[in-house]
Amino acid sequence: ETGVTQSPTHLIKTRGQQVTLRCSSQSGHNTVSWYQQALGQGPQFIFQYYREEENGRGNFPPRFSGLQFPNYSSELNVNALELDDSALYLCASSPQKGQGSYNEQFFGPGTRLTVL
Amino acid sequence: AQSVSQHNHHVILSEAASLELGCNYSYGGTVNLFWYVQYPGQHLQLLLKYFSGDPLVKGIKGFEAEFIKSKFSFNLRKPSVQWSDTAEYFCAVNIKAAGNKLTFGGGTRVLVKP
Repeated sequence: ETGVTQSPTHLIKTRGQQVTLRCSSQSGHNTVSWYQQALGQGPQFIFQYYREEENGRGNFPPRFSGLQFPNYSSELNVNALELDDSALYLCASSPQKGQGSYNEQFFGPGTRLTVL
Repeated sequence: AQSVSQHNHHVILSEAASLELGCNYSYGGTVNLFWYVQYPGQHLQLLLKYFSGDPLVKGIKGFEAEFIKSKFSFNLRKPSVQWSDTAEYFCAVNIKAAGNKLTFGGGTRVLVKP
């Protein structure tokens, strides 16, 4: 069974650029959540996708957007990058069986984004 | 908005010492509670979780945590740490009414000296 994978591992961008991060969920998992972990802080919830629809969003501006594909993989897109967007971006998948219920989230290794 | 507080940012211990990491959350409704661990260079892994029932929860690698509802706390403990327990530990809360998202504390970096 393959776990959650993310690509790329590391990325360096400059302010104002756009970035796309990718996540492949664990086999059998239909829900993907994205978190931002700034240096020295705990992960913060960005948003979640369930069956290709956004299913909850944290306190992040609209320039953070996402997609989920029919195979349940997901992308996180960030437009107009700012220095404060430098962080580890974590993807987590879970076998959510219905909205409103909690199922254990399994985390990927993350993508380290540096914005210069 | 709900929040999760971890009392210590850094803890340094010697092997065989006991470990206790504090976690408090600020939500009065029904919650699910978690402790995650992040070993150097590795991804977040679940140590233990509390959904309901016995408030004393046992997890992997000899860790346990106690849910005290009246104190809004979920402290993590291990009676005797090993060098391999060097890692960052995160407390996280899921509010049942809010779906599947987790709210994390700021983390506690634990260094166990051999």
